[in-house]
Amino acid sequence: DTGVSQDPRHKITKRGQNVTFRCDPISEHNRLYWYRQTLGQGPEFLTYFQNEAQLEKSRLLSDRFSAERPKGSFSTLEIQRTEQGDSAMYLCASSPPGGNEQFFGPGTRLTVL
Amino acid sequence: AQKVTQAQTEISVVEKEDVTLDCVYETRDTTYYLFWYKQPPSGELVFLIRRNSFDEQNEISGRYSWNFQKSTSSFNFTITASQVVDSAVYFCALRGTGFQKLVFGTGTRLLVSP
Repeated sequence: DTGVSQDPRHKITKRGQNVTFRCDPISEHNRLYWYRQTLGQGPEFLTYFQNEAQLEKSRLLSDRFSAERPKGSFSTLEIQRTEQGDSAMYLCASSPPGGNEQFFGPGTRLTVL
Repeated sequence: AQKVTQAQTEISVVEKEDVTLDCVYETRDTTYYLFWYKQPPSGELVFLIRRNSFDEQNEISGRYSWNFQKSTSSFNFTITASQVVDSAVYFCALRGTGFQKLVFGTGTRLLVSP
């Protein structure tokens, strides 16, 4: 049984660079979520997809952030012109049709120097 | 607005002790869902339980039990006979009606020493 996978697991970048993260949900899960977690805090919601449609976006998702799920399978989260404040763990989760539980991946830890 | 409060920042116990993690929530929705997740040192959030607002029955799963009380807006989590492997950060989360996002508390770090 394959869980949610995320790539890369770690990313170190310099301020001002663009980064892209990938999330592969559990097979046949039609809903996909992105969260951000900083040290000592709980995850904070960023955005939600049902199939390929982006249905919810948090105000945390500034213009520098964009997420896609072009074919309703994997998703990418891009951060443009990274800032030091973007340093965090970026978590992806997925849910099956009709299910209320969200199953999380291992996360991508971003460090912006 | 929805909010989850986990007032206990860190709890330390000795193995085999029982421990209760507190969770208090706020929501105006009449239908909502409550969750507990475990985040071990490896970092991956592990789903433990979901409770619907219309189901106040308490639940027991092995050494884990959950006490849901709508009257006090609480959803507490008890580990019986704690073990070192229980050491982790535990998060309580809330999802309201009409939204898919989970609102998390700040977590409680549990340290179980041998």
